[in-house]
Amino acid sequence: ETGVTQTPRHLVMGMTNKKSLKCEQHLGHNAMYWYKQSAKKPLELMFVYNFKEQTENNSVPSRFSPECPNSSHLFLHLHTLQPEDSALYLCASSQELAGGEGVIQYFGAGTRLSVL
Amino acid sequence: SQKIEQNSEALNIQEGKTATLTCNYTNYSPAYLQWYRQDPGRGPVFLLLIRENEKEKRKERLKVTFDTTLKQSLFHITASQPADSATYLCALDDNNAGNMLTFGGGTRLMVKP
Repeated sequence: ETGVTQTPRHLVMGMTNKKSLKCEQHLGHNAMYWYKQSAKKPLELMFVYNFKEQTENNSVPSRFSPECPNSSHLFLHLHTLQPEDSALYLCASSQELAGGEGVIQYFGAGTRLSVL
Repeated sequence: SQKIEQNSEALNIQEGKTATLTCNYTNYSPAYLQWYRQDPGRGPVFLLLIRENEKEKRKERLKVTFDTTLKQSLFHITASQPADSATYLCALDDNNAGNMLTFGGGTRLMVKP
């Protein structure tokens, strides 16, 4: 296990539903991320949180709403999604390497989301 | 804009051979480059990091090279095994944000027994 836990693993929802994805990291990291991974496309960064503060919103539609109550937990609230939002949603956390020489990201197993 | 290219076609090799995967980038001056492995239905797992001042890095059967002139990294798996079958992603640090990475689309490796 990577130390990053995502729930649920699978989610099917209608376009009018409201649901939330949860991510928890047990690594003591300071930064957490949401990514979207669609078939045959690179990982798309959605949101970044550093020390609970959102530092990046990569032009994500407002139907995706992140929440970071503390450094260990990250949520992605979903409402009125579209079928094209069906994808694997990955959470990651990271800690800077010594000397500020970059970061390594640790990923959860993802939530496979299907929007009907 | 920054762009990373990995061969989107699957690479099929015979067990025991060396697999070589390529990562090319443009409009970038990364301080370091990373390789991750991703199995179906799972998140990527970090394998190796190589810095811009390093030409080569090894870890067990894995070897990574980094040519900042060619803007290319090669990822080698020697004595490949069927268990090495997975998708391999390269990632570069974002020039504008210290803790962000940009990922390539990945190359799927299939090692046949």
